[in-house]
Amino acid sequence: NAGVTQTPKFQVLKTGQSMTLQCAQDMNHNSMYWYRQDPGMGLRLIYYSASEGTTDKGEVPNGYNVSRLNKREFSLRLESAAPSQTSVYFCASRDRKYGYTFGSGTRLTVV
Amino acid sequence: DQQVKQNSPSLSVQEGRISILNCDYTNSMFDYFLWYKKYPAEGPTFLISISSIKDKNEDGRFTVFLNKSAKHLSLHIVPSQPGDSAVYFCAASPLGTGTASKLTFGTGTRLQVTL
Repeated sequence: NAGVTQTPKFQVLKTGQSMTLQCAQDMNHNSMYWYRQDPGMGLRLIYYSASEGTTDKGEVPNGYNVSRLNKREFSLRLESAAPSQTSVYFCASRDRKYGYTFGSGTRLTVV
Repeated sequence: DQQVKQNSPSLSVQEGRISILNCDYTNSMFDYFLWYKKYPAEGPTFLISISSIKDKNEDGRFTVFLNKSAKHLSLHIVPSQPGDSAVYFCAASPLGTGTASKLTFGTGTRLQVTL
């Protein structure tokens, strides 16, 4: 029972490089989310997907794109990484009744 | 505009004593509140929740209290144990928005339980 799996766990990018953070859940949840965690800022919502085929912006979407490939997978793409995107990124999924199940996070450093 | 606030960035409590973590919110549309616990290098994990129709919810050593008029909730841990040392996030959501209900998180409180 893996829950929510994120890859990679760590990544260092140069400014301007692109990359995709992968997320998959095996709980048959409809809703999936991407958050970033920064010191003193808590967790802030980047994008979410209420169901397969739909995506919506959250609180801090600028500089990111997402794809809900199927019910299981929800990826986050940085097209041109900036130092301000240095953060820890968490993917989560949600069932109808309870709160979120989070992945273990991706620690991204942009230099 | 921080809609969910945890004004204490850190808290240190002796083992066996009570830990009280506080959270304030500003959005009157929030109807469902949760606490998450986070260890280093791990994702947050669900701890306990409460809906606005209640003012208290208890689960073992953990109790959450909700004061809707004050827009305040608190998490009590009794007795505190060293394994409780972690960052605790308060989160809130409006009910009735379907399965896409988005959680708004506070900034977190780092709890350290000392021996």
